[in-house]
Amino acid sequence: RKEVEQDPGPFNVPEGATVAFNCTYSNSASQSFFWYRQDCRKEPKLLMSVYSSGNEDGRFTAQLNRASQYISLLIRDSKLSDSATYLCVVNRNFNKFYFGSGTKLNVKP
Amino acid sequence: DTEVTQTPKHLVMGMTNKKSLKCEQHMGHRAMYWYKQKAKKPPELMFVYSYEKLSINESVPSRFSPECPNSSLLNLHLHALQPEDSALYLCASSQVGGREGPGTEAFFGQGTRLTVV
Repeated sequence: RKEVEQDPGPFNVPEGATVAFNCTYSNSASQSFFWYRQDCRKEPKLLMSVYSSGNEDGRFTAQLNRASQYISLLIRDSKLSDSATYLCVVNRNFNKFYFGSGTKLNVKP
Repeated sequence: DTEVTQTPKHLVMGMTNKKSLKCEQHMGHRAMYWYKQKAKKPPELMFVYSYEKLSINESVPSRFSPECPNSSLLNLHLHALQPEDSALYLCASSQVGGREGPGTEAFFGQGTRLTVV
């Protein structure tokens, strides 16, 4: 079983739409959780850390459910510039970051 | 400064060449990483250094040899590579230790796009 599982998409949405990505992780000992964004042929960039209390940064909201081992990312009012691959990342064993396969988002005009 | 700098950005090497990839960070992070990423795939962990000591080697072939000369620098020495080793090589750094909360994230360099011919 994979450490981190994501729906690969692609998610094709119009500008202004709300889109949600989900991710599950297999090991309950996982300690910290993140969403990264990766543009084509670029490095992954941290979008946001994910906390048990849930957190929001502008149009982006992340939630963590430790009981269900589930992480989500909600993007409101999608922009063309949000088109990218979104990587769910989980850290355990003190510095072993596990990546999901990524979810591709295409925002259309 | 949340920057990880990698050089070179692009590298073409023959199968008999020896080359090195370099990575530098000045965020005071004591964990540094090498990842390999093939097209349309997520990054795959190769090596982790914690406090300048190799802590994780994900069964990487010996033609890849990591080195951590000090807390800011990480090198990856390449020798006798194969064409299938062509990929984007990413360096990252983070604080040591896992816990939930700010400051635990990893920062990535722009990568070295390696082509083995």
